[in-house]
Amino acid sequence: DAGITQSPRHKVTETGTPVTLRCHQTENHRYMYWYRQDPGHGLRLIHYSYGVKDTDKGEVSDGYSVSRSKTEDFLLTLESATSSQTSVYFCAISGFGGTSRNEQFFGPGTRLTVL
Amino acid sequence: TQLLEQSPQFLSIQEGENLTVYCNSSSVFSSLQWYRQEPGEGPVLLVTVVTGGEVKKLKRLTFQFGDARKDSSLHITAAQPGDTGLYLCAGAGGGGSNYKLTFGKGTLLTVNP
Repeated sequence: DAGITQSPRHKVTETGTPVTLRCHQTENHRYMYWYRQDPGHGLRLIHYSYGVKDTDKGEVSDGYSVSRSKTEDFLLTLESATSSQTSVYFCAISGFGGTSRNEQFFGPGTRLTVL
Repeated sequence: TQLLEQSPQFLSIQEGENLTVYCNSSSVFSSLQWYRQEPGEGPVLLVTVVTGGEVKKLKRLTFQFGDARKDSSLHITAAQPGDTGLYLCAGAGGGGSNYKLTFGKGTLLTVNP
């Protein structure tokens, strides 16, 4: 299994509070991704990173920001959480993100509930 | 927006039966991947197909990439309860970008003993 962890694994928070989720990898992979998974929508890309301090938006980036100050950590921040951001969040890593063999390895997920 | 349509959405079968899951798109992908996800866990990569017409086998699972690289299928022979899970297909290179994967919404398979 790829060395990828997410913290926290579960979180309950209130509307309007900031929340930060952490993804940590020990594989030294260049590419890292944040997804959310919701019933009826599948996995949707929020943001991704193609190197330290290099990030770009995915298809559902509104209300989210990311930071990557070192190779192993990719942080996802909900600036002011809303109930629509209740979801399961997955981090993924890839060593070949810019190629046709963009095989991704996923973390265990964080279940976030916004009340 | 690149779309991958998976069918069926839900499939419930008895142990020992065969099944096929489909993944279709109007877009061309440079590769297509299949993942399996179990409850409470992240998706796990099963296989990547790259060449049009390519067939790969993983024990009782057979994966095929369409000749035009727009579609793929997953066939399971003699399904076992351990095959239960959410099967996801994902395409790379859709829209000209290999940085991102386009995921289908998944097929939820239940294999009853």
